[in-house]
Amino acid sequence: AQTVTQSQPEMSVQEAETVTLSCTYDTSENNYYLFWYKQPPSRQMILVIRQEAYKQQNATENRFSVNFQKAAKSFSLKISDSQLGDTAMYFCAFMKSYNTDKLIFGTGTRLQVFP
Amino acid sequence: GAGVSQTPSNKVTEKGKYVELRCDPISGHTALYWYRQSLGQGPEFLIYFQGTGAADDSGLPNDRFFAVRPEGSVSTLKIQRTERGDSAVYLCASSLERTSDTGELFFGEGSRLTVL
Repeated sequence: AQTVTQSQPEMSVQEAETVTLSCTYDTSENNYYLFWYKQPPSRQMILVIRQEAYKQQNATENRFSVNFQKAAKSFSLKISDSQLGDTAMYFCAFMKSYNTDKLIFGTGTRLQVFP
Repeated sequence: GAGVSQTPSNKVTEKGKYVELRCDPISGHTALYWYRQSLGQGPEFLIYFQGTGAADDSGLPNDRFFAVRPEGSVSTLKIQRTERGDSAVYLCASSLERTSDTGELFFGEGSRLTVL
């Protein structure tokens, strides 16, 4: 069975600074997808970034980038130039690339951005 | 509407009662998912529809939980004989095709269920 672990329940960062959120996972699969989702107080989950395991290049989306270490089963999210609107819960998620569309989420990291 | 709509936003019920939660996905999205998010936890998969049929219902915790999507659009999650442990936020999401093809689920704001 696949598991996703987020070991940082809470993180804080000052506006304009950089912060990294950690995520590790366990799987015996070779091909899969990894995601970071943001959940603001409105409860609506929003996709931040996506990584295919077969791609060696780390995904980037504007201020958001990942450090994907397949051998170490690590998938961290880096937020550069943090903004007050980045304050939210962040969830790391795993999905097999075949036979299922089931997303497996971690327990989340609460990020607070201070002015 | 432009996004995934869930009703009710909040529902308080008594133990043993029957509850229905509704999800109206984005128009044209063929895939629909239900997740349950307990306090302090990440969302847990319940069931996935492709069109009208349940492609994967392996996450439903027991036979008190049932979901339908009769016309391939709106879906209803039904919970019989509610228990206090059913208290959670129930999230619905939809996608244009399989998540593995597009990589993105569009989530609603969830229905918070409280069982007293």
